[in-house]
Amino acid sequence: DGGITQSPKYLFRKEGQNVTLSCEQNLNHDAMYWYRQDPGQGLRLIYYSQIVNDFQKGDIAEGYSVSREKKESFPLTVTSAQKNPTAFYLCASSTATGGRGYTFGSGTRLTVV
Amino acid sequence: EDQVTQSPEALRLQEGESSSLNCSYTVSGLRGLFWYRQDPGKGPEFLFTLYSAGEEKEKERLKATLTKKESFLHITAPKPEDSATYLCAVLDGGSQGNLIFGKGTKLSVKP
Repeated sequence: DGGITQSPKYLFRKEGQNVTLSCEQNLNHDAMYWYRQDPGQGLRLIYYSQIVNDFQKGDIAEGYSVSREKKESFPLTVTSAQKNPTAFYLCASSTATGGRGYTFGSGTRLTVV
Repeated sequence: EDQVTQSPEALRLQEGESSSLNCSYTVSGLRGLFWYRQDPGKGPEFLFTLYSAGEEKEKERLKATLTKKESFLHITAPKPEDSATYLCAVLDGGSQGNLIFGKGTKLSVKP
């Protein structure tokens, strides 16, 4: 079955560390997205990519980085520059126009220890 | 600026007590309105897509409707398993495909 897979489900980061969240899809979708979700704030867009080897900053890109070397994969790195990284991170994918909405992964909960 | 506002923020219902959730939007040319259900600790799950005013979609106890300014998610005779956060999102005419999300309505259904 086609879908979108995020790993790991839970991730713990020490102060000053960079960590990478994985997102893989086998839906043949052109576009992929990363969102951050905090209680009471809804979904906030971090980065998105409409095509391989190209990506754009979303509303809260500072302290994050991404790459899109393959159509299927869109990993997110949370760098040490992100001062408040504890959150629930969601990856999504869609067709190029987005007309059928997004398919979401199951999320990664990142906690700073 | 494009906006999506959901109300109420939280809704508590007794089992069997029907109600509606609202999603109002201001976008420059609606290309689609989407409803998602999100359970705690999980990713949003697609429910419905509506494309034009007057359109309605149904699934079990849920019915989504769309006007030019807002969408309603009607829940008929809800059960405790309907408890979740319901998200609304819109795709506007000028977008490259990026959805604009509301903050959601957290629904609790008590037995």
